[in-house]
Amino acid sequence: QKEVEQDPGPLSVPEGAIVSLNCTYSNSAFQYFMWYRQYSRKGPELLMYTYSSGNKEDGRFTAQVDKSSKYISLFIRDSQPSDSATYLCASSPMDSNYQLIWGAGTKLIIKP
Amino acid sequence: DVKVTQSSRYLVKRTGEKVFLECVQDMDHENMFWYRQDPGLGLRLIYFSYDVKMKEKGDIPEGYSVSREKKERFSLILESASTNQTSMYLCASSRKSNSPLHFGNGTRLTVT
Repeated sequence: QKEVEQDPGPLSVPEGAIVSLNCTYSNSAFQYFMWYRQYSRKGPELLMYTYSSGNKEDGRFTAQVDKSSKYISLFIRDSQPSDSATYLCASSPMDSNYQLIWGAGTKLIIKP
Repeated sequence: DVKVTQSSRYLVKRTGEKVFLECVQDMDHENMFWYRQDPGLGLRLIYFSYDVKMKEKGDIPEGYSVSREKKERFSLILESASTNQTSMYLCASSRKSNSPLHFGNGTRLTVT
């Protein structure tokens, strides 16, 4: 079993819809959770960074961590075609890049 | 804005060749990383470096080596390329160990 599981998709939704992207993790020591966005033929870029449980909001994006169920989510409101990309979740037991464990990524397609 | 530049976007090499992948960052970051990205497997850390001439193995160092002679440059070396090293290689840097990773746009290596 991988330590961070993520449905590869593709997930296709109409423009304007609310998107929910999810990951599960198995290591209860994970404390730090990140979402990166990767456009085609580009490197990943950081979207959201959260510590422990709870919600964090940034514009149209909300990251949610439920440590009791080991579930992390990224919600995108009012989705736009420009949100079409692969979304990668990553987790770590420490506040350190050296131990990041990555999900495989979910490909998201927003249809105009 | 941080720029991480990988010297080649596409490379085709033959089995047994020695391959050099070069990465340069322009923001005086302490940490540099080499990942490979394969469908369904996510990002896997090959090596990282937290200082000049320092290197640490990641999760999959076998068949690879690295060099960091200058702070801004981190090279990945495949001593004798094999077909199972066909992959997308991503270089990243970060200011500190818990700072966001900044990625290059990747080098797609094909070994025939």
